[in-house]
Parts: sequence; structure tokens; C-alpha cells
Amino acid sequence: TQLLEQSPQFLSIQEGENLTVYCNSSSVFSSLQWYRQEPGEGPVLLVTVVTGGEVKKLKRLTFQFGDARKDSSLHITAAQPGDTGLYLCAGGPGGNEKLTFGTGTRLTIIP
Amino acid sequence: EADIYQTPRYLVIGTGKKITLECSQTMGHDKMYWYQQDPGMELHLIHYSYGVNSTEKGDLSSESTVSRIRTEHFPLTLESARPSHTSQYLCASSGGGLDTEAFFGQGTRLTVV
Repeated sequence: TQLLEQSPQFLSIQEGENLTVYCNSSSVFSSLQWYRQEPGEGPVLLVTVVTGGEVKKLKRLTFQFGDARKDSSLHITAAQPGDTGLYLCAGGPGGNEKLTFGTGTRLTIIP
Repeated sequence: EADIYQTPRYLVIGTGKKITLECSQTMGHDKMYWYQQDPGMELHLIHYSYGVNSTEKGDLSSESTVSRIRTEHFPLTLESARPSHTSQYLCASSGGGLDTEAFFGQGTRLTVV
């Protein structure tokens, strides 16, 4: 089983602050996704990164895929209460393998 | 917008009852998944399927069973529900190749009393 460890598990910060959450594994992934889940709903895809070293930006969110394709980070600038949610990374080994989800980071932005 | 649907959205049922949670997708995806999740916690994979007539147990042991007779349909069945089965159940599907993004249903919140 390929494991994806996310850190921190819980994070609570004030509105306007910056933050970074991490997704680490000892396995190589062909692609990696980040999802956000709000209470009572299913996770929704934010971004997919495919190339080692790739950086993608989505408004105030910056995603990076590690050079070795074993880890990823999500950086949020000037956090807002609407960013509150459970953030999940997921690795896609490709081929006929199943998608593996990380342990999750529960983010709370305090107004 | 994702075309994957789960029913029912909420279910409260007595101990010992048989239940089936429905999941259907119209995207033609070969891979489908069932996850169990306690509120705000990580997703635990309990079943997955690579295609019709292909099902595998996930990382978390579960007393539930699944079937995949049609590409679009992946129901989950509990023969005898127990309070320990109380949880949220999420169904997802994904395509193949490098682009393996998962699309999720809204989930079924199951309460066994």
C-alpha cells in the first residue's frame, strides 16, 4: 500500500495569514491531485500536477510537485474564511492502480 | 460538473437490516471507488473496481460487499447493519492514464440505531 502522509493534521490561523500544508510519500506517483472537502459534501478537485518540479497557481493557492514526484505542497496566501475545509492530496500511480488519498489537513480560518 | 450520483443522501436504519447504497456515474469511467469517512477525517478505501465484473477489497476491512455488473453502476450492500457501520460513505469514479482525477458523489450519511 502506498501511503501519503499530510502535515499538519490540523491548522487554525487568522484571516490574512499565509500557510503551507505538505503531502509526503516514499513512493513515486505519476500524478498528484489536491482536493478540498466541505462538511457534508464530497471532495472536489482543485488541481492536478504531473511533472516533477511543476508549480501551478490557482488564485491565492500555489501547488508544487516535488522533483522526485514523491511529495507536494499547497501554499495559501492571505487566507480567507472561505478557505476553511479538509484538504486532501491524492496520488495516481497510473496504469491500473487505484488512487491513493492522503491523511488530510483540516484547515480553519478564523475571521 | 461531475455526473456521479449517490442515493440515499441520508439513511437511518435499525440494527440487523439489509441496506444497499446506490452509486451511478454517466462519465463512462472504468474505475470506481467506495470510501468510508468519519466527519472531518481521512478517507478510507473499502472497495474499488477497475471495470465490469472486477472488484477488490480496499485498505480498510469492511463487512460490506459490492458488485459491478454495469460500467455506470457500483452499489454497496450491507447484509446486516450494525451501529459500528454508522459513517459517511462516499462513492467516486476516475478515468485512466495520467489524468486520474476522482469525481465524488455527495455521499450517504448512514446511521444505524
